[in-house]
Amino acid sequence: GESVGLHLPTLSVQEGDNSIINCAYSNSASDYFIWYKQESGKGPQFIIDIRSNMDKRQGQRVTVLLNKTVKHLSLQIAATQPGDSAVYFCAEKGGLNDYKLSFGAGTTVTVRA
Amino acid sequence: DTGVSQDPRHKITKRGQNVTFRCDPISEHNRLYWYRQTLGQGPEFLTYFQNEAQLEKSRLLSDRFSAERPKGSFSTLEIQRTEQGDSAMYLCASSSDRANYGYTFGSGTRLTVV
Repeated sequence: GESVGLHLPTLSVQEGDNSIINCAYSNSASDYFIWYKQESGKGPQFIIDIRSNMDKRQGQRVTVLLNKTVKHLSLQIAATQPGDSAVYFCAEKGGLNDYKLSFGAGTTVTVRA
Repeated sequence: DTGVSQDPRHKITKRGQNVTFRCDPISEHNRLYWYRQTLGQGPEFLTYFQNEAQLEKSRLLSDRFSAERPKGSFSTLEIQRTEQGDSAMYLCASSSDRANYGYTFGSGTRLTVV
């Protein structure tokens, strides 16, 4: 089956800098995408989502960009803080009547003080 | 409502024993999902319910696994004759067709089979 993947398994970023985490997806029918943050021993925590009819959505310190032409999703974190250190996953919902989410392997973000 | 609750948080069992996990979703969510996550990997879909109906099961869900959601509220996931390969984090999530789906995960049940 098709699945969501991430370009880099790890990302090290200086505190205060901006972070960009990338994700490639392969299912052109996917209509909804979510970024999750997962800390050790905890469940995935919702960060931000975007529907396929949009190309950008902003939240507090986070922005998600969707490029359907190349099937690419990114998460931008502004002014990265130590509390942003975690594993980040993108997930896709497969289409109109497909409600399950498919996840990639994740990117581990480490914030350097 | 405090979100999705899972019980227990941790379970250690001997190989061959049966285990059962419980998930209480967000009350107004009609869909409930079970995922399995192993170390260093993203969650893998196992099965999901719409209300009390189990609508989809992954091929990962062998016949030793069974899930129920008898009244369309809480759900249980049972693993019979556990194997060491069953050791993983079992995550439950719920969603609703309203308000942009609102997929929310619980904190998971960490299963260790010894």
